[in-house]
Amino acid sequence: ETGVTQSPTHLIKTRGQQVTLRCSSQSGHNTVSWYQQALGQGPQFIFQYYREEENGRGNFPPRFSGLQFPNYSSELNVNALELDDSALYLCASSSGTYTEAFFGQGTRLTVV
Amino acid sequence: SQKIEQNSEALNIQEGKTATLTCNYTNYSPAYLQWYRQDPGRGPVFLLLIRENEKEKRKERLKVTFDTTLKQSLFHITASQPADSATYLCALLNQAGTALIFGKGTTLSVSS
Repeated sequence: ETGVTQSPTHLIKTRGQQVTLRCSSQSGHNTVSWYQQALGQGPQFIFQYYREEENGRGNFPPRFSGLQFPNYSSELNVNALELDDSALYLCASSSGTYTEAFFGQGTRLTVV
Repeated sequence: SQKIEQNSEALNIQEGKTATLTCNYTNYSPAYLQWYRQDPGRGPVFLLLIRENEKEKRKERLKVTFDTTLKQSLFHITASQPADSATYLCALLNQAGTALIFGKGTTLSVSS
C-alpha cells in the first residue's frame, strides 16, 4: 500500500505566473482534499474531490482550481499567483468523509 | 462559522511528565474530532479520532477526551519523550461534511 505523494516538493514562482501541483492518493482512496498552510497556522481547506467531482470548497477565489482523475490522483492549479499564495500546500486522501485523512509531505510554494 | 481554538501556541515540559493540550470549539457540534501530529516541513500525521458518543480514547501513551457539553477536547501524552516534540493539531469535520477545520496547533517541546 503506497502513501500519499505530492510533487514537486519545492517550487519558486514569480507573481502573476500559474502553477500546477500534483498529488497521488493512497491506494483505495476515492476522496482527495487540498489544504493551504501558512507559516504558524493550521491547514486551511481549499476544496475536496470525490470520484472526479468537486465535493466542497473553502473560502478561496476561483483562481484556485482543481481536477481529479479516474485513478483518483489530483491536481491543484493556481492562476495569477500573488505573494500571499506562498505556503505549504497539502494533499490529503481518505476512503470517505468520516474517516481519518492521510496527508502527503506537501509542496512548499514560494512566490517572489 | 465553526471555530476551533488551541489555546496554547507552545508547551515546554520535561521528559517523563504528562503533556496536556487543549482544543476548544464553538458554533458547532461535530460528529467527531481528530488529533494530528506535524513535524517541521512535513504533512500532518493522523493520531486519534474520537466520536461524539465517546468520552475517552487511548492509544499507547496517548489519551484523548471529548466533552461535548464544554465543547472541548483534551489530548494527553504520558511519559513524554524528546521524540514527542512536534506540533499537535486538532481538527473537526465541518457541517457540510466535506472538510476538516484545523486549529493553529500547539508546539510541544520535551526536554531531557
